[in-house]
Amino acid sequence: AQSVTQLDSHVSVSEGTPVLLRCNYSSSYSPSLFWYVQHPNKGLQLLLKYTSAATLVKGINGFEAEFKKSETSFHLTKPSAHMSDAAEYFCVVIPGVGGSQGNLIFGKGTKLSVKP
Amino acid sequence: DTGVSQNPRHKITKRGQNVTFRCDPISEHNRLYWYRQTLGQGPEFLTYFQNEAQLEKSRLLSDRFSAERPKGSFSTLEIQRTEQGDSAMYLCASSLGTGNQPQHFGDGTRLSIL
Repeated sequence: AQSVTQLDSHVSVSEGTPVLLRCNYSSSYSPSLFWYVQHPNKGLQLLLKYTSAATLVKGINGFEAEFKKSETSFHLTKPSAHMSDAAEYFCVVIPGVGGSQGNLIFGKGTKLSVKP
Repeated sequence: DTGVSQNPRHKITKRGQNVTFRCDPISEHNRLYWYRQTLGQGPEFLTYFQNEAQLEKSRLLSDRFSAERPKGSFSTLEIQRTEQGDSAMYLCASSLGTGNQPQHFGDGTRLSIL
């Protein structure tokens, strides 16, 4: 079965410092992986997706993630945190070969706090 | 692209009442998904439609939950005889085409059971 594990439930950084949110995946197939962000009382917004093209994926708002098959990881990074980045971040996998099953499997989320 | 729209945004009801939520997907999207999110957790998949066909419903939490998408456009999620444990955020998402296309989410309906 496919799954994702977010290694930190809460990450706190200072504004202007780098962000690293860690995610490991488990999959028998080449996975389709996503990162979504959720601000309080809002729906989820897609940050970026990996679907077996380039291993370094660039997303919105300066975020990027690198797919590392040898480490089964898909960590999310940003060089410089902004106050508006404070939110909950979810690492997501689509089960099935090539994402054929359609429904998303979410990690438990990492809450990012940004200190001024 | 007006995004995925969910109504109502908030619903407060007494235990035992029936509730219905509506989701209007992005117009050209043929897939529509329902998820439930409880406090401090990631969303949990419930069911999804491709056009009007409900392709997966085994994850619906009990037989009190049902969903429809009669004309392949908007969808409704109904919970009958609500219980305290049904209190959650119910999220709808839509996507275009095959399974690994990104899903676009609405802002959700927050259900509170008194």
